[in-house]
Order: sequence, then C-alpha cells, then structure tokens
Amino acid sequence: DAKTTQPTSMDCAEGRAANLPCNHSTISGNEYVYWYRQIHSQGPQYIIHGLKNNETNEMASLIITEDRKSSTLILPHATLRDTAVYYCIVRVAGTYKYIFGTGTRLKVLA
Amino acid sequence: EAQVTQNPRYLITVTGKKLTVTCSQNMNHEYMSWYRQDPGLGLRQIYYSMNVEVTDKGDVPEGYKVSRKEKRNFPLILESPSPNQTSLYFCASMPTWEGSNTEAFFGQGTRLTVV
Repeated sequence: DAKTTQPTSMDCAEGRAANLPCNHSTISGNEYVYWYRQIHSQGPQYIIHGLKNNETNEMASLIITEDRKSSTLILPHATLRDTAVYYCIVRVAGTYKYIFGTGTRLKVLA
Repeated sequence: EAQVTQNPRYLITVTGKKLTVTCSQNMNHEYMSWYRQDPGLGLRQIYYSMNVEVTDKGDVPEGYKVSRKEKRNFPLILESPSPNQTSLYFCASMPTWEGSNTEAFFGQGTRLTVV
C-alpha cells in the first residue's frame, strides 16, 4: 500500500495561498491522489483528486509532480474557515479503501 | 441533498451493554464503510461492504459486527462494548460503478464513550 508523508502542521495568513505538500514516493501507476479535510471533529470532506495531471475545482488546485512522487494542494485565498486537518490519501489500487495518515493541521491566521 | 446520516451523534454507555450505531445513505452507493478515529492514530477502517450481503473486515474489526441487509443502511454493532472502544466513529459511502474515481461521503460522526 502506498503511504503518504505530510508535515504535521502549517500556518497561513488569511487571504494568502496555502500550499500543503504531500510525499507519496511509492505510489503505483494506477493509484489516484485524494485530498480531504476535517474541520474540528466533523466527517472528512472531499476536496480534490488527481492521477497525473494538475486539477482545479472551486475549492482548490492539485499539482502533481511529473514523477508522481509528490503533490501539493493549493488553497488560493485561505480564509479562517479553511482551518482544518488536511489529509493526503492514495487510493489503494483495485479497492475502495482509504488509508488515512495523521494529516497536516492547517491554521489560518487573521 | 446527498448525505450520510449517523445516529446517535453522541452516546455514553456502560461496559457490556450491546449497542448499535446506525448509518444510512441516500445516494444508492454500493460501498459503505466504518472508521474509528483516535488521537494520534488517524482514521482506521473497521469494516466495509461492497454491496448488499457482502461485508468484510477492515484493519481493526475486533469487537465489532456489521450487517448490510439493504443498500442504504450499514449499522455498526458492538455486542459487548469495552472502554477501549471509546472513540469517534465515522460511516462513509461511495459508488463503485465501472471507472468511478469519485469521492467518499462521510457522516458527521458518532462520539461513543464506554464507561
């Protein structure tokens, strides 16, 4: 199973871009990278996912390196409501199981 | 509105008293799963179900049972709860149609305390 490595915590000023890195050096060719976030103790919320190309939606952008060994989640204009734990997850090939790490605790500062 | 609904949201119970946490989804998803979340350990999968009458163990199944008699419901059963099952529990669902790489939907969580 591919594992991910994320920094334990990060701070970001309100209104600035938040760039959250993730290392997944053992990822397989058919495994997707997913990002979720968890605000307080609520259920995790889907943000974005990708395979090899960069992706963007209304919440964030996902930049995946060409060798797919790492990725960066970008929140373009962080707000206080983006304070949460962000999980980078690799979907286990051929199954629907998520392996959650401990994530990055992002704190957006006023 | 697409959602996964768990009940109850909070529960305090005593050791050995059987309890059931219900989970229901309104998206006709085939796949459903239960996770527990403990400080410093992240979310760990307890059981999952690929479809009606098809269930399998996750990473931490001891002390839990599940059933999937209907597609929308996936209850988590603790036959004889113990204090080490005090945790925050999440139910999740997702579709499994061919080629789907969509996201999982999570319930709002059930905070269980066993004393």
